[in-house]
Amino acid sequence: AQSVTQPDIHITVSEGASLELRCNYSYGATPYLFWYVQSPGQGLQLLLKYFSGDTLVQGIKGFEAEFKRSQSSFNLRKPSVHWSDAAEYFCAVTNYGGATNKLIFGTGTLLAVQP
Amino acid sequence: DSGVTQTPKHLITATGQRVTLRCSPRSGDLSVYWYQQSLDQGLQFLIQYYNGEERAKGNILERFSAQQFPDLHSELNLSSLELGDSALYFCASSVFRESYNEQFFGPGTRLTVL
Repeated sequence: AQSVTQPDIHITVSEGASLELRCNYSYGATPYLFWYVQSPGQGLQLLLKYFSGDTLVQGIKGFEAEFKRSQSSFNLRKPSVHWSDAAEYFCAVTNYGGATNKLIFGTGTLLAVQP
Repeated sequence: DSGVTQTPKHLITATGQRVTLRCSPRSGDLSVYWYQQSLDQGLQFLIQYYNGEERAKGNILERFSAQQFPDLHSELNLSSLELGDSALYFCASSVFRESYNEQFFGPGTRLTVL
């Protein structure tokens, strides 16, 4: 069965510091992978997605993620965090060309940014 | 603004009651998805409709049902509500052809069951 693991429930970084949020997936075929961000009281916004090709994908707000098949990982990175990045981040997976493209989400990582 | 609208934004009700959550997809999107976000279960897929037909079911309780109407809006009906049904319910929509299309999420309906 498909699953997504986000090992870090809560992370605190200083403003200006680099960030890496971890995501591991379990999926039999080639996955479609996503990172979403949820600000307090808001819906989910797509940061970036990986379907195929270049394993380093760029997203909005200066985020990037690297797909590593050998490690079943899709970690999210940002070189310099801004206070406005404080939010909850969700990794998600779906399949390609199936009867449904429902999203399977990880449990989320709550990011706090210290001034 | 994703273009997906959900009403109401907040809903407070009592155990045993029934409520209806409404979702209007983006213009042109044929597929609607419902997700539940709770402290216990996290974000989980409930059900998907495509052009009026049920396409996939997830961990949706028998007390819950959904439908998609000819104008493509969707409603999620929750009945015999329990305290544990308190959650944020998201609707998402996509074009959904055989290849993947991005899902756009609405702002959610926060349901509180007292």
